[in-house]
Amino acid sequence: QITLEESGPTLVKPTQTLTLTCTFSGFSLSTSGVGVGWIRQPPGKALEWLALIYWNDDKRYSPSLKSRVTITKDTSKNQVVLTMTNMDPVDTATYYCAHLLVGTTFDNWGQGTLVTVSS
Amino acid sequence: DIQMTQSPSSLSASVGDRVTITCRASQGITNYLAWFQQKPGKAPKSLIYAASSLQSGVPSKFSGSGSGTDFTLTISSLQPEDFATYYCQQYNSYPYTFGQGTKLEIK
Repeated sequence: QITLEESGPTLVKPTQTLTLTCTFSGFSLSTSGVGVGWIRQPPGKALEWLALIYWNDDKRYSPSLKSRVTITKDTSKNQVVLTMTNMDPVDTATYYCAHLLVGTTFDNWGQGTLVTVSS
Repeated sequence: DIQMTQSPSSLSASVGDRVTITCRASQGITNYLAWFQQKPGKAPKSLIYAASSLQSGVPSKFSGSGSGTDFTLTISSLQPEDFATYYCQQYNSYPYTFGQGTKLEIK
């Protein structure tokens, strides 16, 4: 059974850097074809894909956020970390991590974590 | 970026109805199209991938079709638990993009 859980601060100040951790079980990011992605959703709005990382350390980013976002993995800890710099109130959203396989899309999601950006 | 446009944005229907939601891609995505269901305060749930393949455990009342630029999600015999927001998403090319969502409400 695949499970994912997001963790990190619920409140960050403008200009600060956000660091979120996705801790997962039921799969390994050292297995060929496996990936983990991040998606966010501002309150009342649609889903927005941010980034993803594959078992071979191939990384993909949304062009609109590429300068601010970094995704890394720690295979030994079964974790994927997303950092986003220079946070702004418009970045207030629920942030989700999700599992996928190469050539497919997100099949298992974490429950999400709400991050509020406010001074 | 490939833009995904869903219609309608909202839809009112009754229990027992059959409904269809449409998703259009701004350029061809072959069949790299997924559908998700999201209930208030919950994470999205994967329903369909590859335009028409049902995720494991998803009831057969959900069906998807289409290829290229035009896709549909059909839900037959609506039940109270089906009232939710539905999103399409393309994974043909990066950046992955989602539609704006279709809110299915009880009439």
